Amino acid sequence: AQSVTQLDSQVPVFEEAPVELRCNYSSSVSVYLFWYVQYPNQGLQLLLKYLSGSTLVESINGFEAEFNKSQTSFHLRKPSVHISDTAEYFCAVSEWNRDDKIIFGKGTRLHILP
Amino acid sequence: NAGVTQTPKFQVLKTGQSMTLQCAQDMNHNSMYWYRQDPGMGLRLIYYSASEGTTDKGEVPNGYNVSRLNKREFSLRLESAAPSQTSVYFCAAYRDPPSHGYTFGSGTRLTVV
Repeated sequence: AQSVTQLDSQVPVFEEAPVELRCNYSSSVSVYLFWYVQYPNQGLQLLLKYLSGSTLVESINGFEAEFNKSQTSFHLRKPSVHISDTAEYFCAVSEWNRDDKIIFGKGTRLHILP
Repeated sequence: NAGVTQTPKFQVLKTGQSMTLQCAQDMNHNSMYWYRQDPGMGLRLIYYSASEGTTDKGEVPNGYNVSRLNKREFSLRLESAAPSQTSVYFCAAYRDPPSHGYTFGSGTRLTVV
C-alpha cells in the first residue's frame, strides 16, 4: 500500500525568501502525485499534480514540484514566498491502478515571517 | 459555483447525541469521500463511495455510518457522538481522469462536549 511522508510539520520562512516543502512517498507501482493547499478556515484546493511526462510541474502562483523517481520524492518549492502563501500544504499520492483513492500526508504548515 | 457543498458549517453536540452531516456535489462525479482532519494527523479517510449504492470503510470508520443516497449526495452519520469525534470533517468528490484530483467541500467543524 502506498504512503506519504511530509518531513516537516511546520516551516517558518521570511517573506521573499525561497522555500522547499519536502515530501517522500512509497509505493510498489507507478503513482500520481499531488500537492494540495489549505488556506485558513477553508477546504483543500489542488495546487499542482504530476501524472506523467515532464518531471517538473508548476502552479499558476509560482510554486513548482519535481518528481524524482529514484528518490521517491515530490518536493514543493517556491523561489520567493509572499504573505498570502501562508497555508497548510498537503502532499498526496494515488496509484495508477487505483487513481480514485488518494492518500494524504500529514501536512506542512508554512509560516511567512514579515 | 460548481463544487461540493457541506452542511452545516459548524455544530456543537452533547455526548451521546446523533447527527447527520450532509454533502452534495453538482459535478456528476462517481466517487465521494468523507475525511476528518485533526491537528498533526492530516486527513484520515472515514468512508468512501466509488459509485451510487456502494460504500466502503476507510482508515477510521468506527463510530460512523454513511449513506450514498444518489449520485449527488453522500451523508455521514454519527449515531452516538463522543468527544473523540470533535474534528473538522471534509467531504470530497472525484472524477476520472486523475488529472482533476479531488474537489473538497469547505468543511464542517464539529465539537462534541
